[in-house]
Amino acid sequence: QVQLQESGPGLVKPSETLSLTCAVSGYSISSGYYWGWIRQPPGKGLEWIGSIYHSGSTYYNPSLKSRVTISVDTSKNQFSLKLSSVTAADTAVYYCARDVRNFDYWGQGTLVTVSS
Amino acid sequence: QSALTQPASVSGSPGQSITISCTGTSSDVGGYNYVSWYQQHPGKAPKLMIYEVSNRPSGVSNRFSGSKSGNTASLTISGLQAEDEADYYCSSYTSSSTFYVFGTGTKVTVL
Repeated sequence: QVQLQESGPGLVKPSETLSLTCAVSGYSISSGYYWGWIRQPPGKGLEWIGSIYHSGSTYYNPSLKSRVTISVDTSKNQFSLKLSSVTAADTAVYYCARDVRNFDYWGQGTLVTVSS
Repeated sequence: QSALTQPASVSGSPGQSITISCTGTSSDVGGYNYVSWYQQHPGKAPKLMIYEVSNRPSGVSNRFSGSKSGNTASLTISGLQAEDEADYYCSSYTSSSTFYVFGTGTKVTVL
């Protein structure tokens, strides 16, 4: 059973960098597939942020590309998200998920609030 | 890349069938068979219900079915049950640089 778990600070100050990690269990990231991040502002819809392959190959949503970095650590079986220069508009529940041209396994999500 | 268009809400009585539409363009829904549907209960993560237009993951009830015609995909829930009350989102791979686009979301209410 593939399981994903997000972790990271729940509060980030404006202009700072949001950092989250997704730990994967039940499946080795090195075995394949892409792994992605998706966010959902409170009361709103879903937005794909970007995805990464175990080799490190990435692709990002162009609307966020200038501020996003996704990385992978196969030795720890986890991948990470960094979003720089955050504003209140980045307040959202952030999910990690396995990307197989759809998102079949999801983490429970973590709320990140951007506020001073 | 605009979000795919879904009705804001759909309702039905227990036992009835309902259909949720998801309208895109030839660059996304109409151009690829990578259309998927997600169910989201309040405070929970989305759950994959349909992938590649009409395929059900293991464990998903056969009351859920998907289809596509042109630039519009549809999710049908038959034999509506109270537990089906949730938000539903469609998603599609897209040829635009966005790669993935989600729908606006539909709230399903069981009367």
